[in-house]
Amino acid sequence: GAGVSQTPSNKVTEKGKYVELRCDPISGHTALYWYRQSLGQGPEFLIYFQGTGAADDSGLPNDRFFAVRPEGSVSTLKIQRTERGDSAVYLCASSRASAHSYNEQFFGPGTRLTVL
Amino acid sequence: GDSVTQMEGPVTLSEEAFLTINCTYTATGYPSLFWYVQYPGEGLQLLLKATKADDKGSNKGFEATYRKETTSFHLEKGSVQVSDSAVYFCALSPRNSGNTPLVFGKGTRLSVIA
Repeated sequence: GAGVSQTPSNKVTEKGKYVELRCDPISGHTALYWYRQSLGQGPEFLIYFQGTGAADDSGLPNDRFFAVRPEGSVSTLKIQRTERGDSAVYLCASSRASAHSYNEQFFGPGTRLTVL
Repeated sequence: GDSVTQMEGPVTLSEEAFLTINCTYTATGYPSLFWYVQYPGEGLQLLLKATKADDKGSNKGFEATYRKETTSFHLEKGSVQVSDSAVYFCALSPRNSGNTPLVFGKGTRLSVIA
């Protein structure tokens, strides 16, 4: 079946602009995660959704970052007033929901954001 | 907080050489441990996992054993191939069930030459 997809694959913007990054999870996966991967680093957690609600947003770096998942499927990560330090690859992952076993996270290919 | 430390790369090996990539972790409670791999041009893929102490995860000839006494989860392969060239990430989940965000190490780039 289809994996996690992310659009766009690349986004170049200017400092101060607003950007939206989209994630389509695997069908039926109720958990969705956003991570950010800077050059030479491992992915860092941003926010996690269980269904439509954000179960944990402790990784969002500041209030310029916001994410939504209004229907419990597609999610959009929104970044206001972008800064050069926001340049990174933004990764989305999804997993099934079970409280009794580990749920493997399946990752999308990422969106490479470049802020000029 | 929870953290993962893995050996810095890049690591360059000849085909059929033995591979070890070290990984140690700091966590409260009983984390699950993972190795993810990122092949050139592709997304992160789960390579193997272990959810409790002394478990051995294995896949595609790679192995790693969850060592609680040394807080380690070193990745090993007895004979690497050119196709194993990729970036390898050690990661932990603070719990061994349910859905929790992963904590990743910085990654180790492996290049295997023929």
